[in-house]
Amino acid sequence: GENVEQHPSTLSVQEGDSAVIKCTYSDSASNYFPWYKQELGKRPQLIIDIRSNVGEKKDQRIAVTLNKTAKHFSLHITETQPEDSAVYFCAARATGANNLFFGTGTRLTVIP
Amino acid sequence: DTAVSQTPKYLVTQMGNDKSIKCEQNLGHDTMYWYKQDSKKFLKIMFSYNNKELIINETVPNRFSPKSPDKAHLNLHINSLELGDSAVYFCASSQASGSLTGELFFGEGSRLTVL
Repeated sequence: GENVEQHPSTLSVQEGDSAVIKCTYSDSASNYFPWYKQELGKRPQLIIDIRSNVGEKKDQRIAVTLNKTAKHFSLHITETQPEDSAVYFCAARATGANNLFFGTGTRLTVIP
Repeated sequence: DTAVSQTPKYLVTQMGNDKSIKCEQNLGHDTMYWYKQDSKKFLKIMFSYNNKELIINETVPNRFSPKSPDKAHLNLHINSLELGDSAVYFCASSQASGSLTGELFFGEGSRLTVL
């Protein structure tokens, strides 16, 4: 099955700086790559996703990049704010599959 | 209006007991899931049901038995609870559209503590 690795496991940045979280996946059939944010004590929620037919997608301060050849994808958060502090999960899924394989999570702390 | 709701939110019980967690979604989705999140925050899929039929059953002890009475409900029953079962259990749902499966909507989680 799919194996998704995520780095770093923890990340601290100063408010206003950028944060980058990286993931790699093993299954070349994977073509859907969402990112979920989980605030303390809350449920994971989708913040952005990318499909394999594009290399980059942006939504305000958040962007994702995908390199299918190298099988890695990244989340970029610019101008970080304290409310960005949370655990972020990357995930991968193959076409027609139901199973979403999650990375191990990155705890992001934005220091005011 | 809660999209995916699960009960109870907290469950504290003794080893060896049997317990159930219920989940309901009002999004009209075809597929429902159970995920387990351990103390290290790893999110691991346990089961997936599509229109009441089991389609994914990851390596989970057979003490865990899911039941889907209809496509809006997916319950999780756990027999003979063990200390290692302590975790947060998340129910989720998604809608398939052709070969694409959409966003996962998670419930609020049920924190199970086994003493």
